[in-house]
Amino acid sequence: DGGITQSPKYLFRKEGQNVTLSCEQNLNHDAMYWYRQDPGQGLRLIYYSQIVNDFQKGDIAEGYSVSREKKESFPLTVTSAQKNPTAFYLCASRDTSGRALSFYNEQFFGPGTRLTVL
Amino acid sequence: DAKTTQPPSMDCAEGRAANLPCNHSTISGNEYVYWYRQIHSQGPQYIIHGLKNNETNEMASLIITEDRKSSTLILPHATLRDTAVYYCIVRTHNNAGNMLTFGGGTRLMVKP
Repeated sequence: DGGITQSPKYLFRKEGQNVTLSCEQNLNHDAMYWYRQDPGQGLRLIYYSQIVNDFQKGDIAEGYSVSREKKESFPLTVTSAQKNPTAFYLCASRDTSGRALSFYNEQFFGPGTRLTVL
Repeated sequence: DAKTTQPPSMDCAEGRAANLPCNHSTISGNEYVYWYRQIHSQGPQYIIHGLKNNETNEMASLIITEDRKSSTLILPHATLRDTAVYYCIVRTHNNAGNMLTFGGGTRLMVKP
């Protein structure tokens, strides 16, 4: 079955440590996105990538880094520079090929990773 | 992308229609209206989108006013599993990266 996976579902880290969140998709989507969600709030964009080896900062990129070495993978590193890292992190992907029936297709979201920094 | 305004919360009786409003008075001609929902601690789920005509799919109906300044998402027969936060988003189909800008959404509580 095709889809987006994020692991782990729950992650605990000590303050000052870097941590990398995994996001993998087998949908053959070119575009991938990372969002952060705080309690009772909507999603905010951290980084996005429209194609392999390319990525752009979103609205709240400070304290985060990403890589896009493979089409299927878009890992997010939460660095010690991120002042409030505890949040729910969501990864998404989208088909931008134009071959899909609905070209402007919706974003498919992963199940999310809840990061708690102690 | 245009800003949207939604009521923070709504209740609906199980089996009744849930009508969720959204104001997007600054929407421009090439912006679409999208609806997503997020069940607690899960990723958002796409529901429906439209430009100016009313749309219907297996999940919901989308009614867009003639001036396109507001829309209503209709869940025709709400169930307990429809309890979620519903997000209304307006965006073009060609903005850079096509990322989604989520507001606070409407927390729909379906009650037995």
